[in-house]
Amino acid sequence: ETGVTQTPRHLVMGMTNKKSLKCEQHLGHNAMYWYKQSAKKPLELMFVYNFKEQTENNSVPSRFSPECPNSSHLFLHLHTLQPEDSALYLCASSQGQGDNSPLHFGNGTRLTVT
Amino acid sequence: KNEVEQSPQNLTAQEGEFITINCSYSVGISALHWLQQHPGGGIVSLFMLSSGKKKHGRLIATINIQEKHSSLHITASHPRDSAVYICAPHTGNQFYFGTGTSLTVIP
Repeated sequence: ETGVTQTPRHLVMGMTNKKSLKCEQHLGHNAMYWYKQSAKKPLELMFVYNFKEQTENNSVPSRFSPECPNSSHLFLHLHTLQPEDSALYLCASSQGQGDNSPLHFGNGTRLTVT
Repeated sequence: KNEVEQSPQNLTAQEGEFITINCSYSVGISALHWLQQHPGGGIVSLFMLSSGKKKHGRLIATINIQEKHSSLHITASHPRDSAVYICAPHTGNQFYFGTGTSLTVIP
């Protein structure tokens, strides 16, 4: 149990579908992150929320839309994705952005776009 | 060019061997994570350190801030240590990630 829970673990979707990834943390953290991990590449930061406010959007295409309704929950809404968006999407949380606290990761959602 | 370079990229060891994974980075940092990722995908933070050395069980992590280099050592390696190990230096605001070292420990 990592303290950060992601659902679903696996997702297969067509390019015209709309789906959402969910992340939940019960660690009392104030910062939450979405990362993308493609094969043989470093983790890529997508979005950061600190105290429910989006503080970073790392030039992510608009077909990815984050939502952070409260400090414990983070969503990533997906629509009209491309096959190259197939990857492992990891959620993480930390005590607060900018305070040198460690990241706690979820188990990730393995996304396949067909 | 990635700000973080790890070596080796792949490593196969016999059970019981002493293992070293190296990480060099080019950015100014306040601390560095060593992360472990198992085949299922989940990532676990092994260490966060900003100076010197930390030890947890069979794992030892060292960092030299002046030389911008960190190492992760595994003593008496075991098949359950098989995973990808990722170096992640960071400032308070930003994390940088290596591509990882894939370790396989053979019984």
